[in-house]
Amino acid sequence: QKEVEQDPGPLSVPEGAIVSLNCTYSNSAFQYFMWYRQYSRKGPELLMYTYSSGNKEDGRFTAQVDKSSKYISLFIRDSQPSDSATYLCAMCTGGGNKLTFGTGTQLKVEL
Amino acid sequence: DGGITQSPKYLFRKEGQNVTLSCEQNLNHDAMYWYRQDPGQGLRLIYYSQIVNDFQKGDIAEGYSVSREKKESFPLTVTSAQKNPTAFYLCASSPRTGTLPGELFFGEGSRLTVL
Repeated sequence: QKEVEQDPGPLSVPEGAIVSLNCTYSNSAFQYFMWYRQYSRKGPELLMYTYSSGNKEDGRFTAQVDKSSKYISLFIRDSQPSDSATYLCAMCTGGGNKLTFGTGTQLKVEL
Repeated sequence: DGGITQSPKYLFRKEGQNVTLSCEQNLNHDAMYWYRQDPGQGLRLIYYSQIVNDFQKGDIAEGYSVSREKKESFPLTVTSAQKNPTAFYLCASSPRTGTLPGELFFGEGSRLTVL
């Protein structure tokens, strides 16, 4: 079993839809949770960052962490074609920036 | 502009050849990393370096080698011992202090194809 599980998709939604992306994990020592966005043939860029449980909102994006269920989510409101990308969840225990990544979910937002 | 530059973007190699991928950063970051990305596997850590002249193996270091002679540079050599070298390789960096754990800055990647 992988430490971090993420549905690879692809996920296709119409413009304006609410998108929900999820990851589950098995290591209870993870404390820092990230979502990276990766456009085709590019490197990932940090999109959202949360520490411990709770919600964090940034514009159309909301990151949610439920440590009791070992489950993290990224919600995208009013999705746009420019949101079409692969979304990677990542997490670490805190020391040394050694991240464990999910496989990534490919999202396509269609006009 | 500050950032991470990887070269070449695309590289073709014959079996049995070593190849070196370049990674240069002008962000004044102490730590640098090499990841490999394959379809369905996410990013896997090959090597990382927290400081000049020091580096550690990641989860899949076999068949790879690195050096860290300068703060700005962290080249990766894919040797002929690497059994499945065809992949997308990503270099990243982060400051050692004053940043959030897990906040990495990535280059645009190098795609290596073994013929």
